[in-house]
Amino acid sequence: DAMVIQNPRYQVTQFGKPVTLSCSQTLNHNVMYWYQQKSSQAPKLLFHYYDKDFNNEADTPDNFQSRRPNTSFCFLDIRSPGLGDAAMYLCATSRDALNTEAFFGQGTRLTVV
Amino acid sequence: SQQGEEDPQALSIQEGENATMNCSYKTSINNLQWYRQNSGRGLVHLILIRSNEREKHSGRLRVTLDTSKKSSSLLITASRAADTASYFCATDLITGNQFYFGTGTSLTVIP
Repeated sequence: DAMVIQNPRYQVTQFGKPVTLSCSQTLNHNVMYWYQQKSSQAPKLLFHYYDKDFNNEADTPDNFQSRRPNTSFCFLDIRSPGLGDAAMYLCATSRDALNTEAFFGQGTRLTVV
Repeated sequence: SQQGEEDPQALSIQEGENATMNCSYKTSINNLQWYRQNSGRGLVHLILIRSNEREKHSGRLRVTLDTSKKSSSLLITASRAADTASYFCATDLITGNQFYFGTGTSLTVIP
């Protein structure tokens, strides 16, 4: 059974139209991460939550926001998607970051038209 | 921010041969992990090595860690066509919960 589920798998949005990607987990893990991965590149960390504590990476654009209403769910909001935001968005969880592995969802591929 | 770099960027070998990938990173770490990604899919955890460990094995995988050189290697022995994927190292920061991926190695195993 999938433990980290991302919806939808594929998302097409219009330039400038807000879009929300969702992630849910059944592992009851404390930490949830959002990564952006562009073609043939490494996943780039956007932000992460440790429980309710939000941690933004210094180079994450303001256009990207996140919400974690409870342990199981985490959302990535892109307020005004640009063509450069087209990418695979990966959600991951870990019990904590020290000496534990991360579990990834299958990703949401975002297309901006 | 990206913490690590891997080489080679791409590697092509015949089935049955061994594949070695290297990862170098910048700052002190708690542990280093290796992940595998099939094309267009999520990442799958392969192995974790702690900063006080020097070598670890898991099936056909062997990972080494040299903290003095800030480097790690992943060896896949007796490769199979199904091993074709991208492989990423990931390192955490001592100060936080986040971890960062290296640039990745694209491995092709030719049947």
